[in-house]
Amino acid sequence: EPEVTQTPSHQVTQMGQEVILRCVPISNHLYFYWYRQILGQKVEFLVSFYNNEISEKSEIFDDQFSVERPDGSNFTLKIRSTKLEDSAMYFCASGKQGLNQETQYFGPGTRLLVL
Amino acid sequence: AQRVTQPEKLLSVFKGAPVELKCNYSYSGSPELFWYVQYSRQRLQLLLRHISRESIKGFTADLNKGETSFHLKKPFAQEEDSAMYYCALRSNTGNQFYFGTGTSLTVIP
Repeated sequence: EPEVTQTPSHQVTQMGQEVILRCVPISNHLYFYWYRQILGQKVEFLVSFYNNEISEKSEIFDDQFSVERPDGSNFTLKIRSTKLEDSAMYFCASGKQGLNQETQYFGPGTRLLVL
Repeated sequence: AQRVTQPEKLLSVFKGAPVELKCNYSYSGSPELFWYVQYSRQRLQLLLRHISRESIKGFTADLNKGETSFHLKKPFAQEEDSAMYYCALRSNTGNQFYFGTGTSLTVIP
């Protein structure tokens, strides 16, 4: 069964550095999402992406963040100038096309630690 | 504002006992609600969605618009049900999901 994959599984970075989190969505999916979960808190929506552009984003997703689909398979989240409070688990998800898409399928997550 | 509330962070029940995980929501529109589950060391996965009106692994959830609730129920809990459960609401556009804070269910043998 196809799955969403994410790399790396863990990333440690220094405050102020840029990080790129990578995701490979399920191949026939057209909607892509990023979420984050700060330790002990809820899963928070960051952004959704469709047809090579952002379709929705939350207030968390400020200018520090960007997403890209650089090729036909990868979907990346870039965090410029990381802050301590960016430490969290970042989940990628993908879903099928259409308003009646059944659900989204989650990746295993990347645990980001900003020191 | 859209909001999903799961009032219980932790819930413990004995095996064979009924279990109910509470979820309340506020949403200015027609909500579409889901329950997601995360077993230990596994990824988040869909358990059920309200429009399917299905029973998955013995769990059911009924959308109560009057009480703005979508509680998850199972008549007889099993040990393998121990997991983190998240209630989620999807926006009208279909492109944004709002998650609750989750309830950690422990089924005691």
